[in-house]
Amino acid sequence: ETAVFQTPNYHVTQVGNEVSFNCKQTLGHDTMYWYKQDSKKLLKIMFSYNNKQLIVNETVPRRFSPQSSDKAHLNLRIKSVEPEDSAVYLCASSSLAGVQDTQYFGPGTRLLVL
Amino acid sequence: GQQVQQSPASLVLQEGENAELQCNFSTSLNSMQWFYQRPEGSLVSLFYNPSGTKQSGRLTSTTVIKERRSSLHISSSQITDSGTYLCAMELGTGYQNFYFGKGTSLTVIP
Repeated sequence: ETAVFQTPNYHVTQVGNEVSFNCKQTLGHDTMYWYKQDSKKLLKIMFSYNNKQLIVNETVPRRFSPQSSDKAHLNLRIKSVEPEDSAVYLCASSSLAGVQDTQYFGPGTRLLVL
Repeated sequence: GQQVQQSPASLVLQEGENAELQCNFSTSLNSMQWFYQRPEGSLVSLFYNPSGTKQSGRLTSTTVIKERRSSLHISSSQITDSGTYLCAMELGTGYQNFYFGKGTSLTVIP
């Protein structure tokens, strides 16, 4: 099966903890992305990464960092979570770099920070 | 203020009716996409359409840069079209200038 997989589906944690979300794509794509969708359903792109370049949305706090072992994996680490980090985090991939290409999304990881 | 405005915020259609969704933007456009979010939350990329008209099945996207708008036309709506339609626009260089609209929630009833 070729798709974008995310784990966990749901995570509850306390303020100040570190969390890490996994994303794997089996589509053979070169570029992967992380998005955040807040409680008002507003989406924001956070990062994109391929084997050559990391592009960061400069409004993303520095406690967020992407981690990649190979082009099929892009994990998201949050160093010290805060209440406003509660959201759904969506991973996506595309064949070409940049936002011009069709992106394929994972099911999302819902984070709740208490 | 909101860089990308979508209208209407919500829409209810009877199956078979057509829909026209609008997305307006405030400054010059580098690129734009239309996305569809299913009721359970999964997201699908529909069109990359920075200018002109593109069609895929019953969906047609038209972007008119001079008028600072993009539209998504859904013809012969089906119940399975229900969900949220989002436009996203790159209004400058860098992802901090990649803005999503708040979406149009579409409900198609029998």
